[in-house]
Amino acid sequence: QKEVEQDPGPLSVPEGAIVSLNCTYSNSAFQYFMWYRQYSRKGPELLMYTYSSGNKEDGRFTAQVDKSSKYISLFIRDSQPSDSATYLCAIARNRDDKIIFGKGTRLHILP
Amino acid sequence: DAMVIQNPRYQVTQFGKPVTLSCSQTLNHNVMYWYQQKSSQAPKLLFHYYDKDFNNEADTPDNFQSRRPNTSFCFLDIRSPGLGDAAMYLCATSSLRNRGWVNEQFFGPGTRLTVL
Repeated sequence: QKEVEQDPGPLSVPEGAIVSLNCTYSNSAFQYFMWYRQYSRKGPELLMYTYSSGNKEDGRFTAQVDKSSKYISLFIRDSQPSDSATYLCAIARNRDDKIIFGKGTRLHILP
Repeated sequence: DAMVIQNPRYQVTQFGKPVTLSCSQTLNHNVMYWYQQKSSQAPKLLFHYYDKDFNNEADTPDNFQSRRPNTSFCFLDIRSPGLGDAAMYLCATSSLRNRGWVNEQFFGPGTRLTVL
């Protein structure tokens, strides 16, 4: 079983819709959860991070962690065509540990 | 702007011909990473430097080597590229001295390697 699983998509939604992106992970030792966004022909950039369980909101983006089910989510409200990118979830055991990335979900927001 | 720069952006090499990819950073970060990312795959960590200390991942093939002559520069050497080494190679940096909540990694745009 891989340490983190992510559906590669692609996921196509109309502009303005709420987008839900998800990952599952296998080991309860992971405590740091991140979402990176990768535009075409660019490197990933950190979008949001969460420590342990709970929600974190930043503008139109909400990151959610459910440690009991080992499930992490990213919600995008009022989606825009500029949100079209690949979204990679990433996990780490502690701050100094290496980051383990998911495969990424390709998201297309249709104008 | 402070950034991570990778050169070249696109590299074509022949099977078995050594190739070097370069990364430079103006962030003055003490950690530099090299990842391999194949199409629709997760970035795979090859190795990283914590200051001058080299840390190799257990499953990184011997064909891959790295050099970090100073804080700003890091090189990835592929001694004998095979067809399976065609991928995007991403360089990233982080500052584990001033890391705050999380080890945020800053990525360069990547070098796409084609092996003929």
